[in-house]
Amino acid sequence: AQKITQTQPGMFVQEKEAVTLDCTYDTSDQSYGLFWYKQPSSGEMIFLIYQGSYDEQNATEGRYSLNFQKARKSANLVISASQLGDSAMYFCAGKGGSGSARQLTFGSGTQLTVLP
Amino acid sequence: DAGVTQSPTHLIKTRGQHVTLRCSPISGHKSVSWYQQVLGQGPQFIFQYYEKEERGRGNFPDRFSARQFPNYSSELNVNALLLGDSALYLCASSSEVPGARTNEKLFFGSGTQLSVL
Repeated sequence: AQKITQTQPGMFVQEKEAVTLDCTYDTSDQSYGLFWYKQPSSGEMIFLIYQGSYDEQNATEGRYSLNFQKARKSANLVISASQLGDSAMYFCAGKGGSGSARQLTFGSGTQLTVLP
Repeated sequence: DAGVTQSPTHLIKTRGQHVTLRCSPISGHKSVSWYQQVLGQGPQFIFQYYEKEERGRGNFPDRFSARQFPNYSSELNVNALLLGDSALYLCASSSEVPGARTNEKLFFGSGTQLSVL
């Protein structure tokens, strides 16, 4: 089983600045994956970035990067050059286990507001 | 290509009623999962279906059931609705094969907002 913790209910950032959203995870699995999703007010969960437990390099996708520190069990999302359209709810999620259904376990989310 | 589509987008029901939510996965995806997202929380896993078979179930009562059709579309049914069932119900599809221990990303629909009065 996995547990995902996001300790920042809300964050503010100035447009064009960088922001880090925190995520820690707790799992006994050796092989697991960590995901970040963005949820705008429309409700759809939009995939942003993925990090596998065996990946040695931190994942990057455009303005998104993942600061993966395995020893600390943290997988923080870094958004560079924030834009007004980045204002949304952000969820960290983990997938692991050996069963046939390896579902995503989500954290409680961080509401990001980008200020003009 | 069309993404994951869900219907209806909004639904209002009263306690004790029954509801059916529908989901069409991305073309080629055989795995469909359902999640419940209560206001202010992250989504919670309800079911996963793969090739018409249930492959996983979250901690939800038997009032919740689902099925998957030969075209891989899926229905989520909830009987005897309670006020606490009010939530956004998200459907997700992926190309992951259960048991393969891969980490395919899930593609989500926009959800069905269910309000139980």
